[in-house]
Amino acid sequence: GQSLEQPSEVTAVEGAIVQINCTYQTSGFYGLSWYQQHDGGAPTFLSYNALDGLEETGRFSSFLSRSDSYGYLLLQELQMKDSASYFCAVRALDADKLIFGTGTRLQVFP
Amino acid sequence: DAGVIQSPRHEVTEMGQEVTLRCKPISGHNSLFWYRQTMMRGLELLIYFNNNVPIDDSGMPEDRFSAKMPNASFSTLKIQPSEPRDSAVYFCASSLSGAKNIQYFGAGTRLSVL
Repeated sequence: GQSLEQPSEVTAVEGAIVQINCTYQTSGFYGLSWYQQHDGGAPTFLSYNALDGLEETGRFSSFLSRSDSYGYLLLQELQMKDSASYFCAVRALDADKLIFGTGTRLQVFP
Repeated sequence: DAGVIQSPRHEVTEMGQEVTLRCKPISGHNSLFWYRQTMMRGLELLIYFNNNVPIDDSGMPEDRFSAKMPNASFSTLKIQPSEPRDSAVYFCASSLSGAKNIQYFGAGTRLSVL
């Protein structure tokens, strides 16, 4: 089977740095993606890693270690608007579809 | 580009009624996905199409659910008859064949079955 694990909730203050971890168990692997979803909104794509290492996109970075079946999303200089749910998703045995984790709810406090 | 367009945004219906959700993918995208999101079960893939052909419908809960994609710019998800446990937010997403990690989601349809 395929499964992803991520923390259910993370809290932080404005200006801080937060890391959201994701571990996965899959048959085959074609990449790890991250999506953001605000309350009442739709998931939106943030970042993608196919190979090991760090991908940086502005204040957000994503890391992947395929040997550890592990990745994380790093959010820097947190802002109130970053309060949202964050989902990791893998392309696995069926490379056409994504399997989403259960999501991590990030609350940013002033 | 207008993005993925879903209609209606909200649907309230009574148990036993037929519900039809609609989706227009981004022009040029050849993969389309239907998801259901609930607090209990998270984001579940129901079915997806490549080039208008259903590829994997293993996530469709039961025979009450059906989906069609008659052309590249339109898809429907139908529930008949609807039940209260079908209440959820239903998302449609589309992607390009060369960038399958990046799915673009519509705003969703919030379905309430009374």
